[in-house]
Amino acid sequence: EVQLVESGGGLVQPGGSLRLSCAASGFTLSDHYMDWVRQAPGRGLEWVGRTRNKANSYTTEYAASVKGRFTISRDGSKNSLYLQMNSLKTEDTAVYYCARGHNSFDVWGQGTMVTVSS
Amino acid sequence: DIQMTQSPSSLSASVGDRVTITCRASQGISTSLAWFQQKPGKAPKSLIYAASILQSGVPSKFSGSGSGTDFTLSISSLQPEDFATYSCQQYNSYPYTFGQGTKLEIK
Repeated sequence: EVQLVESGGGLVQPGGSLRLSCAASGFTLSDHYMDWVRQAPGRGLEWVGRTRNKANSYTTEYAASVKGRFTISRDGSKNSLYLQMNSLKTEDTAVYYCARGHNSFDVWGQGTMVTVSS
Repeated sequence: DIQMTQSPSSLSASVGDRVTITCRASQGISTSLAWFQQKPGKAPKSLIYAASILQSGVPSKFSGSGSGTDFTLSISSLQPEDFATYSCQQYNSYPYTFGQGTKLEIK
């Protein structure tokens, strides 16, 4: 069964850092584009960023709102995706989802909540 | 950035009804358009990609159409499990963007 499971969310102070993880099973992560999407409380979905597959050198794209603060990476040996979030702001408070970037986003994780507050 | 505008923002319908939701892009996106269903507290579920192609396992009661800037999602024979929020998304160019969502409620 194809599955994505996020972890690493929590409460962090403004200016702090957090790393989210997304463990993939049922498929080989390196073969696929992978994305992060977030949803602030009561709001719509917002695309955060993407890492392309191995064939495309794992290059990345980011939303302007997170560029320079967030970094997407992978660990092939763990079949896992990561989102390193630095210089966090209160407006980064959201549920963060990882998604497989095949035919748009065909598989989603259950999400992990990140709260940025003092 | 490409703006995605859905209408209506909310919709009331009865079990058995057929409904249509519209999504408009601020510039042409060919058929690079997806639809998602989301229930409270749950992750989005992919329904349709490339404007009209059903994701694997999605029932044929869902259908999508359109190209360029105007798109529709139709749901026939509504059942209680279909009442949810539906969002469109363009993946023609970065940054990918979503519509604000349409909340489908039971009348």
